Amino acid sequence: AQSVTQLDSQVPVFEEAPVELRCNYSSSVSVYLFWYVQYPNQGLQLLLKYLSGSTLVKGINGFEAEFNKSQTSFHLRKPSVHISDTAEYFCAVSRTGGSYIPTFGRGTSLIVHP
Amino acid sequence: EPEVTQTPSHQVTQMGQEVILRCVPISNHLYFYWYRQILGQKVEFLVSFYNNEISEKSEIFDDQFSVERPDGSNFTLKIRSTKLEDSAMYFCASSAGAATGELFFGEGSRLTVL
Repeated sequence: AQSVTQLDSQVPVFEEAPVELRCNYSSSVSVYLFWYVQYPNQGLQLLLKYLSGSTLVKGINGFEAEFNKSQTSFHLRKPSVHISDTAEYFCAVSRTGGSYIPTFGRGTSLIVHP
Repeated sequence: EPEVTQTPSHQVTQMGQEVILRCVPISNHLYFYWYRQILGQKVEFLVSFYNNEISEKSEIFDDQFSVERPDGSNFTLKIRSTKLEDSAMYFCASSAGAATGELFFGEGSRLTVL
């Protein structure tokens, strides 16, 4: 089985500062990796995904993530955050074969201060 | 833009009562899921449903839980006799295919068991 660890439950940051949200995964097989975002009073929506190919993946709203197989990490980054990026961010992993059902982490709350 | 809708947004119930959470997935999607998130914990997979039957379920999804697609549009989660520990946010999701694990989520239904 696969698992996801999001090391930070909350990340406060000032507007226009860079941010990194950390995600580590554990799996005995090849994986797909995802970041989902949940804005207040909304459902989770896909931010970006890694399926194969380039390890640097770009998503919506200026976010990007890098797949690091040796470190089993998929950290999410943004060079300059906005107030509107305040949300809950979920990392998820699924197996490339068999069940594709994603396993989620506990989420990281990104709080952007003016 | 098509979306997954869930009702109710919040339900308060007494321990031992039956609860039905409802979801309307995106109309051309074929795979349906329920996840839950207990406050402060991970988003946990409960069950997936495809072709009118459960395709996969977690150990959480015991005999107290059931799912149904009673018509062409609704997808329901029933908890037969609620316990205090069932208090959580329940998320419904759907996907067009299973291959890449990209899910579309509803806003969630918060269940509070007293």
